[in-house]
Amino acid sequence: DGGITQSPKYLFRKEGQNVTLSCEQNLNHDAMYWYRQDPGQGLRLIYYSQIVNDFQKGDIAEGYSVSREKKESFPLTVTSAQKNPTAFYLCASSIVAGELFFGEGSRLTVL
Amino acid sequence: GENVEQHPSTLSVQEGDSAVIKCTYSDSASNYFPWYKQELGKRPQLIIDIRSNVGEKKDQRIAVTLNKTAKHFSLHITETQPEDSAVYFCAASSAAGRRALTFGSGTRLQVQP
Repeated sequence: DGGITQSPKYLFRKEGQNVTLSCEQNLNHDAMYWYRQDPGQGLRLIYYSQIVNDFQKGDIAEGYSVSREKKESFPLTVTSAQKNPTAFYLCASSIVAGELFFGEGSRLTVL
Repeated sequence: GENVEQHPSTLSVQEGDSAVIKCTYSDSASNYFPWYKQELGKRPQLIIDIRSNVGEKKDQRIAVTLNKTAKHFSLHITETQPEDSAVYFCAASSAAGRRALTFGSGTRLQVQP
C-alpha cells in the first residue's frame, strides 16, 4: 500500500529535549517537505528537499533540523532551540512541482 | 518570497447554496495553484488545481478561476452539501526558485443542513 507514514502520531517532550519525527514514503517521489500547522493558521514550510543529500530552509527553519540520506526518508528533529514547538507537524512528498501527498501528521506537545 | 492571502477565514452557507473562497499571491513567477481540503483530524487532500496557462478548471461541483494579471485565484463550490464542511487551503508555487508550496491561512466552511 503506497503512501507516506509519519511516526509517532503523538509525542510529548520536556523542555530542553530534542525529539525526532519520522517520515517515510514509498511513492518514489523525489521531493519531500515538512510543514507546521498551528490552530487557525495555514501550513508553514519548515524544510524541504528535492533530491537526496540536499535540502533547503523554509520560512520557519529556526530550531529545526533535517537530513535526507535516503530517497524514502526525511526525518525532522525539533531541537531545544525551538521555543514554541507545540504544534501539528505534517510531512509531504511529491514529484517536483506536483501534487503534495501528506502523511497523517504528528502532534507534538511540550510538557 | 511568496505570500498568499486567503479570505474569508470562516464561511457559513446553507445547504444547496454556493461558496466562494478567494486568494491572492505576490510572486508573479508562481504558476501552480492547488486547493486542499482538510477535514477535522485528517490530512489535507488535493481537491483541484490549476496552472498558469489556464484561466478556469471545473470538476463536478467545484471550480477554480485564475486571474494572472490581478494575481488572484478563487475556489467555487456549487450546491454545497454538509460533507463539504471542512477547512480549505489555497496555495501557490513557482517552477523556478523555491519550488515548494506556500499556503494561505485557511477558510473554515460550515454547510448548514
